[in-house]
This record gives sequence, structure tokens and C-alpha cells, in this order.
Amino acid sequence: DAKTTQPPSMDCAEGRAANLPCNHSTISGNEYVYWYRQIHSQGPQYIIHGLKNNETNEMASLIITEDRKSSTLILPHATLRDTAVYYCIVKSGAGNMLTFGGGTRLMVKP
Amino acid sequence: NAGVMQNPRHLVRRRGQEARLRCSPMKGHSHVYWYRQLPEEGLKFMVYLQKENIIDESGMPKERFSAEFPKEGPSILRIQQVVRGDSAAYFCASSRLEANTEAFFGQGTRLTVV
Repeated sequence: DAKTTQPPSMDCAEGRAANLPCNHSTISGNEYVYWYRQIHSQGPQYIIHGLKNNETNEMASLIITEDRKSSTLILPHATLRDTAVYYCIVKSGAGNMLTFGGGTRLMVKP
Repeated sequence: NAGVMQNPRHLVRRRGQEARLRCSPMKGHSHVYWYRQLPEEGLKFMVYLQKENIIDESGMPKERFSAEFPKEGPSILRIQQVVRGDSAAYFCASSRLEANTEAFFGQGTRLTVV
């Protein structure tokens, strides 16, 4: 699976959009981009995933560049409860196990 | 539809005892994954199982750790002769059979070895 690079930490003002970047320059054609988050010490929470088209669900939007070498997770209106570590993971289809990196620690501030 | 259920949520064991962690996958999910998170560290994959089969155990320590997912009942992660270094949060995830689907995690079992 391709390696991902994320900033270690980010701040965001409550009510504003949080844009979390992820670089995955070695991604191959059949690899998907997944986003999870871990709030404090809870179990990781699935957010969204995609292959090449932009995706949106009730939690977030995923924007994947045309060359697929990077992506951005967008939380449109961040709340204090969105404070968490966000993980960007690139994975191919062989099994659904995930390789977690360091992630981005997002702090939403009032 | 209940999520992934793990029990117990907290487990305290003395050094040398056995720890048994249970994971019931979401309904309709046939794949189970175990991860370990040491204090202040990231999540590390341990083992991937289907019913009655271990598919990938590349992340499992070679000794004292074993996992099963029987035809009936929950998946079990067993740690024999626990040591202080086994203290960690153990998370289970489950997914459907199809590739490139999302995996959902349970709330974890926090093992403390005293």
C-alpha cells in the first residue's frame, strides 16, 4: 500500500471549514483513499473513502486531485466534537486491513 | 444494526495470567481485524480473520498471542502469560466480504497488566 504524508497538527476555528491535506504521491491505480478519525482513546471512526471521484457524505467531503497524488478531507462546519486525530490511509483491494500512520491532530477551538 | 461489540471494555490481569478479548462483528460482516494501540502510540495491525480461517497474521507477536474466529460466536484474541508490555488498547474491526469497503471499529478493550 502507498505511503501517506500528513501534517502532524492543525487548528481550526469552531464553525469554520477544516481542510485536512494528505499526500500520497506513490498511489497506484487500484488503491483507494480512506479517512478515519480517532477521538481521544475511542475506537477509530470511519469517515469516507474514494478512488478518483470526489465524494461527499453526511460527515465530510473528500476531494482527490486529478493525478490522485493528494487529497483533502473537508469538514464543512467544524465543531468542538471534531477534535481528533485524522488518518489518511491508502489501501488496495487485497483485504480490508488498514495501515495507520501518525495522522493529523486537529484541534477545533472556540 | 448494532456496531462492532467488544468485551470486556476494561480488563486487568496479573503478570502470567491469560487474557481473552472478544469481538462480535457487525451483522453481515464476515471479516474481522485486530489492532493494538500501545500508550501514546499509533494503531498497529495484528491479524485478519474470516470465519474459521486466519488470512493474515503478519502483525501478531510470534509467541503467546493467538486469534480465532469460529463458525459460531465471536472472534477471540488470546494472550497467554501476559507481561506488563501487553498493556494496551486492543481494537477489533469488521467488514463485509467485498474488497474496498469500509471497516468499522469497536470501542476497544483496555488491557492493564499489573
